[in-house]
Amino acid sequence: AQTVTQSQPEMSVQEAETVTLSCTYDTSESNYYLFWYKQPPSRQMILVIRQEAYKQQNATENRFSVNFQKAAKSFSLKISDSQLGDTAMYFCAFIPMYSGGGADGLTFGKGTHLIIQP
Amino acid sequence: NAGVTQTPKFQVLKTGQSMTLQCAQDMNHEYMSWYRQDPGMGLRLIHYSVGAGITDQGEVPNGYNVSRSTTEDFPLRLLSAAPSQTSVYFCASRETGISNEKLFFGSGTQLSVL
Repeated sequence: AQTVTQSQPEMSVQEAETVTLSCTYDTSESNYYLFWYKQPPSRQMILVIRQEAYKQQNATENRFSVNFQKAAKSFSLKISDSQLGDTAMYFCAFIPMYSGGGADGLTFGKGTHLIIQP
Repeated sequence: NAGVTQTPKFQVLKTGQSMTLQCAQDMNHEYMSWYRQDPGMGLRLIHYSVGAGITDQGEVPNGYNVSRSTTEDFPLRLLSAAPSQTSVYFCASRETGISNEKLFFGSGTQLSVL
């Protein structure tokens, strides 16, 4: 079974600052995907970024980037030039690349509530 | 393209009542799943399906029932609602592929059991 740990229940930064959200995970799988999902007050689950474990290059999506350390089982999310609209819950999630024989869904961390202050 | 459609958005039940949460997707995905979200707990997997006629339990299956008669639909049934089932429920369908792997979520159902 996989576990995902987000050690920061809540973070608060000023608009335009850079913020890093932490995530660690535990698995015996060698091939998997990692995700960061954003959940604003609207409750909608929005995919922010995805990382394939077999790729050494860190994924980036505009202001969002990750620091993926496979050996350390660490997957942090960096948000640059933070904006008020980034205020949301952020969830780190894991799924094996080859499912079957086990739960075929994402394993989520408990989330980090990010508040961007004006 | 509607994606994942989940109904209802809100529901209040009395203890012991039954209800079905509906979920439909129009993306022809084989994999579908149900999660519940509780404060401080993240999202936890209830049941999942890898195709029509195939379902299995997730992390927290007790008190819930599912079926998958078509690729499109994956309803979640509460047979006898309990206050512990007060939660936000999400349905999701999964797009698979080396460069496409992601889950598409419905808009969620806020369920209160009194």
